[in-house]
Amino acid sequence: YELTQPPSVSVSPGQTASITCSGDKLGDKYACWYQQKPGQSPVLVIYQGTKRPSGIPGRFSGSSSGNTATLTISGTQAMDEADYYCQAWDISTAVVFGGGTKLTVL
Amino acid sequence: QVQLQESGPGLVKPSQTLSLTCVVSGGSINRGDYYWSWIRQSPGKGLEWLGYVYFTGTTYYKPSLKSRVIISVDTSMNHFSLRLTSMTAADTAVYHCARGLAANGAYYFDQWGPGTLVTVSS
Repeated sequence: YELTQPPSVSVSPGQTASITCSGDKLGDKYACWYQQKPGQSPVLVIYQGTKRPSGIPGRFSGSSSGNTATLTISGTQAMDEADYYCQAWDISTAVVFGGGTKLTVL
Repeated sequence: QVQLQESGPGLVKPSQTLSLTCVVSGGSINRGDYYWSWIRQSPGKGLEWLGYVYFTGTTYYKPSLKSRVIISVDTSMNHFSLRLTSMTAADTAVYHCARGLAANGAYYFDQWGPGTLVTVSS
């Protein structure tokens, strides 16, 4: 089972960034999302498809439909510049991560 | 707030076995809610899950690495460990331990250790 993400996404400060993750019937698998800044460990920003952990700003949201899960960052800030990884569970490969998307805030 | 901390050698020779330990503090590893995982990240690359251990000792490994990975748990010491055999340069990576949860068909990692860099070189 594979998850596919775009290598890079660019967004202007204050605008909305959307990062996609594609996989077979991903909408049925409750994808989650992690943010990773250079030299740091990943941080969970969305779980069970749409839920935000405590402490994660409300500008982060998740959605999914069909074969695609999407992480949306509304009102993107410079501090949101990071790598973002989607992740899901599949019976064939167990835990699987997407290849990651580098978000650049220009 | 639970914290995880990896420890182990930073340098391993080719063909040797890597042994890492993850100490869990601020919470018990004995809780049935959690699955304790190892995840690695090669330099400049993405994340790769290696496997998990449950507090009972039950394990689940990434299928493609199953022949090389052993993950064990020591509930008395509140830590879990990774052994990865037959190391090659391709195994050079930052190795993270992480706490996983399974709920409502989802599986995700809510706490991560800072990671430890392991280099494979003679």
